[in-house]
Amino acid sequence: SAVISQKPSRDICQRGTSLTIQCQVDSQVTMMFWYRQQPGQSLTLIATANQGSEATYESGFVIDKFPISRPNLTFSTLTVSNMSPEDSSIYLCSVSVGAANTEAFFGQGTRLTVV
Amino acid sequence: GESVGLHLPTLSVQEGDNSIINCAYSNSASDYFIWYKQESGKGPQFIIDIRSNMDKRQGQRVTVLLNKTVKHLSLQIAATQPGDSAVYFCAENANTGFQKLVFGTGTRLLVSP
Repeated sequence: SAVISQKPSRDICQRGTSLTIQCQVDSQVTMMFWYRQQPGQSLTLIATANQGSEATYESGFVIDKFPISRPNLTFSTLTVSNMSPEDSSIYLCSVSVGAANTEAFFGQGTRLTVV
Repeated sequence: GESVGLHLPTLSVQEGDNSIINCAYSNSASDYFIWYKQESGKGPQFIIDIRSNMDKRQGQRVTVLLNKTVKHLSLQIAATQPGDSAVYFCAENANTGFQKLVFGTGTRLLVSP
């Protein structure tokens, strides 16, 4: 298993500003994932963050809006840039500790409100 | 604060009843499936998983059934308890060899004492 800590747990931000969310894992993992969960909805994958390479973004998500860092095997950051109220969501970090087709563990999420 | 699952389908049951939560998945090539439980203010928590070479898997008080013919997944919770109240999501791994989960829309389970 893996224990994942996200910071901050919640924030209220002004539109036009940026917020960086941190994700720390208690063990080394190859793959880390960032998801968005809009109010009342399911989880949507934003990007996959691999150490030593650029993040891979899903359709509808771009690096300029959601830059990701992955400096080592236990840490990643997601930045939500130039925020608008539509960015108000829960942002979740996830890791997979085994081979493909093994469970993914999630952090508690960062609840972002943009005003 | 705002809860997850405000607009999701809801299943209401009495404590002690058995609950069945259903999920239709999208990709016939998916070969791995997971059920997650998400309580308000928390991240999704793993419940049980199943691979496509199985049609049933049992855990503690939970059973997952997989019907690949109709691309249907269900989660059965025996003797449902108030602590089971949460939003439940199914997720499928749509890419073999690469862990990329696609989540279903979710179902809110409400358990009354």
